[in-house]
Order: sequence, then structure tokens, then C-alpha cells
Amino acid sequence: DVKVTQSSRYLVKRTGEKVFLECVQDMDHENMFWYRQDPGLGLRLIYFSYDVKMKEKGDIPEGYSVSREKKERFSLILESASTNQTSMYLCASSPPDRRSYEQYFGPGTRLTVT
Amino acid sequence: GQNIDQPTEMTATEGAIVQINCTYQTSGFNGLFWYQQHAGEAPTFLSYNVLDGLEEKGRFSSFLSRSKGYSYLLLKELQMKDSASYLCALSGNYQLIWGAGTKLIIKP
Repeated sequence: DVKVTQSSRYLVKRTGEKVFLECVQDMDHENMFWYRQDPGLGLRLIYFSYDVKMKEKGDIPEGYSVSREKKERFSLILESASTNQTSMYLCASSPPDRRSYEQYFGPGTRLTVT
Repeated sequence: GQNIDQPTEMTATEGAIVQINCTYQTSGFNGLFWYQQHAGEAPTFLSYNVLDGLEEKGRFSSFLSRSKGYSYLLLKELQMKDSASYLCALSGNYQLIWGAGTKLIIKP
């Protein structure tokens, strides 16, 4: 079974703090993704990575950065958290199956910025 | 572009059948996914269609018509636990392109 884990289920941070969200997958997947999900807006891609040390901007990268030093770990960084970054953050990974790119999700981190 | 449209919310009765539609406009994709997402939880895989036609898996079936830019998810014998959001997504070029999801409410 593919397992994707995220460091926290719930997180409360103050405006201006630097926030790290960690994601680890145990299936040797090449591709990893960070999304945020807000009511009525669906899943929006922040960043993705298709290999170690590689990263690509998604649809809404502003205010975020990422790090992928090891294949199994993909970190999302909020350099200076703001209240509009309050959201559910979902990490996903997918194998290099060019037929489908099925994604496997972690449980999510609900971040509140006050 | 790859606009994907789904109804925002649907209501159905326990034991009934419901069809959730997904329409899209795109120049090309590998296949179309349906995922289920219960409130506060992560999306989980339901089905993947590559070829046109109906794929049946127990109480759930998914249909794809590439020529019409259309897919649907059919849920039969609805149960209260089917109350969830249903997301369709197009697959291609490392990524999935997601619809906003349809929230399905099941009433007794």
C-alpha cells in the first residue's frame, strides 16, 4: 500500500511566521505535489516536483517555496505566513506511469494563520 | 485551456441512483479520473477511464466520451456513507487537472 504522510493534521501559526509543511512517501514515487484546497475552489496546485532537486511552479506559487532534497520528501515552505494562507494543504505523489499519473494523497494539514 | 465543469452540489435519496456529470474543454489528455473525498479527508481514487465507454466497479460506474468532452460517475443503491465530494480530473504531462468537485448530499 502506498503511504503518504504529512507532518501535522492541524497547525496554528501567527502572521509573519515561517511555516514548514513536510510530506513523505514510501513508494519511491518520482512525482510529488502540493495543493491547497478551499471551499468552492477545488484543488489548486502550488508546486510540483518530478525529481530530486527539481521543482515546477503550479497555478498559485506566490508566497510559497518548496524543497526536495530526497526523493521521498517534499516540503512546502510559507516564508511569511499570512491570513489568506489559511487553508487545507494536501500533498500527493504519483509513480512515473505515463499512462495515468494516478495521485496518492496524504491526510492533509489544516493550517490556520491568525 | 482545460476548463472542467461539475455541478457544485447534488442531493439524492438513500437507495436511489445519481449521476454526476463532468464536462471539459481540452486539446488532449491521457485519461479521466474520478476521486471521492469525504469532509476533512484526502481524496481517494475511484476510477480511471482511458477509452470511451462505461467502466463498472460494483455500485459505481464511470463513463467517458472523448468526442463529446463529457464524463459521468454513476452511483447506484446510494448509502449514507456515499455523502462526499466527487472530483473529476484530467490526466496528462505529469499532472492532473482538477474540477472543483461536486458535493453529494444523501438524504434518508
